[in-house]
Amino acid sequence: DVKVTQSSRYLVKRTGEKVFLECVQDMDHENMFWYRQDPGLGLRLIYFSYDVKMKEKGDIPEGYSVSREKKERFSLILESASTNQTSMYLCASRQGDNEQFFGPGTRLTVL
Amino acid sequence: GQQVMQIPQYQHVQEGEDFTTYCNSSTTLSNIQWYKQRPGGHPVFLIQLVKSGEVKKQKRLTFQFGEAKKNSSLHITATQTTDVGTYFCAGPDSGGSNYKLTFGKGTLLTVNP
Repeated sequence: DVKVTQSSRYLVKRTGEKVFLECVQDMDHENMFWYRQDPGLGLRLIYFSYDVKMKEKGDIPEGYSVSREKKERFSLILESASTNQTSMYLCASRQGDNEQFFGPGTRLTVL
Repeated sequence: GQQVMQIPQYQHVQEGEDFTTYCNSSTTLSNIQWYKQRPGGHPVFLIQLVKSGEVKKQKRLTFQFGEAKKNSSLHITATQTTDVGTYFCAGPDSGGSNYKLTFGKGTLLTVNP
């Protein structure tokens, strides 16, 4: 059973903290993605990576960075968390133009 | 940039009624995908359409890809409570990164038993 896993389902952090969200896929996919999902705004792409150490900005990269040191792992970093980054964060992976697999999501609350 | 619009944003039906959601792209798509997200869950792939005018069925779900490959629809016949969720369409990015998908904002379907 193929899987995308995320390090936490729920996370509570304080304003100004550095936050790491981890994502691992076991399908040997080249492409990995980080989205945030907010009511009424759908899925918004933050960053994506098409290869190890390669990354591209998505639609809303401000306030975020990413790291992909190994093919199976894609990390999202909030350098200094702010309350407007309270959201559901979804990781996904994909091979070529095939279906995209999503992780279960991390609901992040920044106080 | 490329836009993928979905209507309606919300749809509430009585169990047994039909439901349709529509997806329109600002650019021609090489293919289109549909996903379903149950409440509290994550999006799960339903189907991919590739050919102009293509129609595919999955039990009570019928998916269509327009002749111009710029629009698509998902029709559910005789809805059930298990159909509740948000349905997203998604197309490859037109900017050259075709491994990146552009998602519509989704249609939230609720079903009254």
